[in-house]
Amino acid sequence: QVQLVESGGGVVQPGRSLRLSCAASGFTFSSYGTHWVRQPPGKGLEWVAVISYDGGNKYYDDSVKGRFTVSRDNSQNTLYLQMNNLRAEDTAVYYCAKSIGYGYSYPIDYWGQGTLVTVYS
Amino acid sequence: QTVVTQEPSFSVSPGGTVTLTCGLSSGSVSTSYYPSWYQQTPGQAPRTLIYSTNTRSSGVPDRFSGSILGNKAALTITGAQADDEADYYCVLYMGSGLSWVFGGGTKLTVL
Repeated sequence: QVQLVESGGGVVQPGRSLRLSCAASGFTFSSYGTHWVRQPPGKGLEWVAVISYDGGNKYYDDSVKGRFTVSRDNSQNTLYLQMNNLRAEDTAVYYCAKSIGYGYSYPIDYWGQGTLVTVYS
Repeated sequence: QTVVTQEPSFSVSPGGTVTLTCGLSSGSVSTSYYPSWYQQTPGQAPRTLIYSTNTRSSGVPDRFSGSILGNKAALTITGAQADDEADYYCVLYMGSGLSWVFGGGTKLTVL
């Protein structure tokens, strides 16, 4: 069955960096696009970024553009989110999620359990 | 900036039918936005119910259905059950460079 397991969350000071990972299994990772979605405490879902199956296309929400970078290693079935210059408003549970198709315009069908990032001075 | 709109809250009786909607602050939702719906209970990750307007995700009962109603996407739950009490989110695809935008979510109460 499809499994997505995020890791790398934690407490970090404003302005610092953190890298999240998402280990995928149960499907052919290299054939599907993947998303990052976050949820601040007590608030709704926010789309963060998407990457196509081969890493050739990447798109970001304006709130993270220039600070976050999504990447993938298909040989390791792993998705990454490099987060730089973190701000208090980046505090959230971060979910990785599998697309139904190969590109960036395909919606999500499976979600990981999430990893909490707290930006706190 | 385009905002995706959802009812903040809704209530349904057990066994009843409820339709939640997903609209745009400007314009109409069509299938080109690939509207998708997610259910989230407290402390849990979201679960995909419907994607691309009306395709049920694996394992989702046929009590859940998606459609376009007028100028909005819609999620209809028929025969509501107690464990349908949850937050429901829609997401729309705005096109490359703008990508995906979630609605603010609807808190559904079954009572």
